[in-house]
Amino acid sequence: QQQVKQSPQSLIVQKGGISIINCAYENTAFDYFPWYQQFPGKGPALLIAIRPDVSEKKEGRFTISFNKSAKQFSLHIMDSQPGDSATYFCAASFNSGGYQKVTFGTGTKLQVIP
Amino acid sequence: DAGITQSPRHKVTETGTPVTLRCHQTENHRYMYWYRQDPGHGLRLIHYSYGVKDTDKGEVSDGYSVSRSKTEDFLLTLESATSSQTSVYFCAISSTGGTYEQYFGPGTRLTVT
Repeated sequence: QQQVKQSPQSLIVQKGGISIINCAYENTAFDYFPWYQQFPGKGPALLIAIRPDVSEKKEGRFTISFNKSAKQFSLHIMDSQPGDSATYFCAASFNSGGYQKVTFGTGTKLQVIP
Repeated sequence: DAGITQSPRHKVTETGTPVTLRCHQTENHRYMYWYRQDPGHGLRLIHYSYGVKDTDKGEVSDGYSVSRSKTEDFLLTLESATSSQTSVYFCAISSTGGTYEQYFGPGTRLTVT
């Protein structure tokens, strides 16, 4: 089964702290690893993504760390802000007959407290 | 939400009744998807479309059918709604085969009583 395991389920971080969300996958065919951010009542939106040929990607306060040998990747949110409070989903995908099959993690609800 | 609308946004229906959810896009993207979102399960693909009249099943397609008669519209039908289909349904689009970005609509909250 092409699972993506995400932890923790929920996370409370103080303003200015670092939020870390972890994901692990099994299928070595995955070749694209996006993170989505979802606010209540809204659809998920792509936050940042990485391919397995790099070990880290940074965009502003958001960084993906990727460990190919361990089949793990994580999202780090530096200087976390109350506006970052949302649910975060990791995902992994691979090409399946021209269609990119995406498997999502179960989500992490982040709360950043002032 | 990237030119994607879903209707209705909320619906309550009774067990056994048919329900149709609509996704409409103004981006002229080729690929369209229907997901359901449930606590503890993340997002799971129900069906997807790779062109007009071209559709295929996802991982949780039982009890659902889809149709795409125009590029901009993708319909999801619950043939006979059950309580297990109570969920939030999201439509998504992408210009390529799911690589890179999928853009999600605002969702439809469906309750089956």
